[in-house]
Amino acid sequence: AQSVTQLGSHVSVSEGALVLLRCNYSSSVPPYLFWYVQYPNQGLQLLLKYTTGATLVKGINGFEAEFKKSETSFHLTKPSAHMSDAAEYFCAVSQYNFNKFYFGSGTKLNVKP
Amino acid sequence: GAGVSQSPSNKVTEKGKDVELRCDPISGHTALYWYRQSLGQGLEFLIYFQGNSAPDKSGLPSDRFSAERTGGSVSTLTIQRTQQEDSAVYLCASSFDFGSGNTIYFGEGSWLTVV
Repeated sequence: AQSVTQLGSHVSVSEGALVLLRCNYSSSVPPYLFWYVQYPNQGLQLLLKYTTGATLVKGINGFEAEFKKSETSFHLTKPSAHMSDAAEYFCAVSQYNFNKFYFGSGTKLNVKP
Repeated sequence: GAGVSQSPSNKVTEKGKDVELRCDPISGHTALYWYRQSLGQGLEFLIYFQGNSAPDKSGLPSDRFSAERTGGSVSTLTIQRTQQEDSAVYLCASSFDFGSGNTIYFGEGSWLTVV
């Protein structure tokens, strides 16, 4: 069975500061990992995903995430937060030939001016 | 279509009434998913379709919930005898193929309020 844990339901950073959103997963087989962002009153948009290959994945809007198998983690980072980054972020996991995506409970990012 | 389309975008219904939520996936996408997002909660998997069949219905909360997909395209999620705890955003998503790390694309959701 798969599961996803996102530490911190709310994270607050100042504009220009580092953004770090944590995601840990459990999976019995190599996973596929995703980060989605949800802006207020909108659906979810893909930020980035890891399937195979390079473990550092770059996504849209300056976000990146690193797959660390030894730590079963896929933390999302951005060097410098922007006000427009305020949203809810969801980590998700699936596996090859498995049709269910498991989502974490989400982390709401607040960016202070 | 260009994206996943859901209707209605907002629905207010009286307790005990039936509701139907519609999802029109991205053209050519064979896999279709329904999720539920309750206030302050994460995403709860309900059901997925591969083509017209639903191999996994384990996420449906009760027998009041059902879903179907016809023609490998449009899907309808039906909630019978709605209860207040059914109030949530119902999100539909689709992908080219299930598994294989393919990205799933979400619609903007149907906001259901049961009063």
